Amino acid sequence: VTLLEQNPRWRLVPRGQAVNLRCILKNSQYPWMSWYQQDLQKQLQWLFTLRSPGDKEVKSLPGADYLATRVTDTELRLQVANMSQGRTLYCTCSADQLGGNYAEQFFGPGTRLTVL
Amino acid sequence: SQLAEENSWALSVHEGESVTVNCSYKTSITALQWYRQKSGKGPAQLILIRSNEREKRNGRLRATLDTSSQSSSLSITATRCEDTAVYFCALDTNAYKVIFGKGTHLHVLP
Repeated sequence: VTLLEQNPRWRLVPRGQAVNLRCILKNSQYPWMSWYQQDLQKQLQWLFTLRSPGDKEVKSLPGADYLATRVTDTELRLQVANMSQGRTLYCTCSADQLGGNYAEQFFGPGTRLTVL
Repeated sequence: SQLAEENSWALSVHEGESVTVNCSYKTSITALQWYRQKSGKGPAQLILIRSNEREKRNGRLRATLDTSSQSSSLSITATRCEDTAVYFCALDTNAYKVIFGKGTHLHVLP
């Protein structure tokens, strides 16, 4: 059974344009939702963990700027701006907060972004 | 520098053979996880081994953890072509995030 749905699954992004990604949680038993980026060399990096509707966070990393929003108990969004290199964004969910709680983390299918 | 690092970028074995992927780390952990990522898919957790555990098994998979040397290994026995994937070690810390290594590309040949 799929726990997470991500859309779009891929997107061509003109340089300088922002893109909005969505992640939908299918099982409320795993309410801790996170975003990870995976670069072209396959390095995975945690970006955000958002638990409650209304939570928002921003982050700037080499190659992209991010704004994450927990919209509802089942929807997480990510805006990606100023992207200079392609990457894949993964949404994850877990039953408890990451790090120190031994929570199993489940990854979605990912959204692949390519810079035009 | 990397806090978690697998010691091989790529490994090749023939079907039926055993293989071990090693990971070293440089920070205090509460647990260490092993993930597998098949081509075009998101990572999937294989084993979580807590800092007070030394060994964990899951079918053909066996993970070990040595906190004194800050190292872990993942062994796969009787490999199959479908085990071909990138294998990551990932650190659970008290910083409320998971830190991934760069991954080992495993190719299982027929």
